[in-house]
Amino acid sequence: NAGVTQTPKFRILKIGQSMTLQCAQDMNHNYMYWYRQDPGMGLKLIYYSVGAGITDKGEVPNGYNVSRSTTEDFPLRLELAAPSQTSVYFCASSYEVSSYNEQFFGPGTRLTVL
Amino acid sequence: KQEVTQIPAALSVPEGENLVLNCSFTDSAIYNLQWFRQDPGKGLTSLLLIQSSQREQTSGRLNASLDKSSGRSTLYIAASQPGDSATYLCAVKYSNSGYALNFGKGTSLLVTP
Repeated sequence: NAGVTQTPKFRILKIGQSMTLQCAQDMNHNYMYWYRQDPGMGLKLIYYSVGAGITDKGEVPNGYNVSRSTTEDFPLRLELAAPSQTSVYFCASSYEVSSYNEQFFGPGTRLTVL
Repeated sequence: KQEVTQIPAALSVPEGENLVLNCSFTDSAIYNLQWFRQDPGKGLTSLLLIQSSQREQTSGRLNASLDKSSGRSTLYIAASQPGDSATYLCAVKYSNSGYALNFGKGTSLLVTP
């Protein structure tokens, strides 16, 4: 199993540009998540999905959109990129939400908006 | 607000020492607590998960404990090695906070030869 994969690894955007961060998992997990990690800060949840076709906002959703058309894929869309969106983005997945289910994380996408 | 705090923020120890990393949380109603390792520029690797009903978990040289009543968890690393150098993150899944893991800011560990 590849686990959770993310592309691209690095990206530089100009202010106002748009892009999609890709995330895929091959563990047949129902739940998928997008977090962002700012320097010196804890990870914050942007969006999550409990299954194909179902998504909801996390703590910091402004400026982002998501979709979940398949169990495997959970892309994150940035519209009109702003310098405040410079961060490292992590995708994660879990089979379900319970006391014994851990979240598995991808390698991250490092995004810089100039 | 449900928060997670990790102390110390940074730690430097000589190789071979046993060490303890601390994590505190503000609400005892948790599903579980996960300890992660993050290497510079890399993703998060799950080290240990402790369920709310458990007191500790062990994996190799790592031992994590959980005390819900005091809102504390510790990660004990035995016989530290330079390869243990990384940032260690504590994350709590609170029972009533939706689906997010609540992360601490991490402890940056440096093990010197």
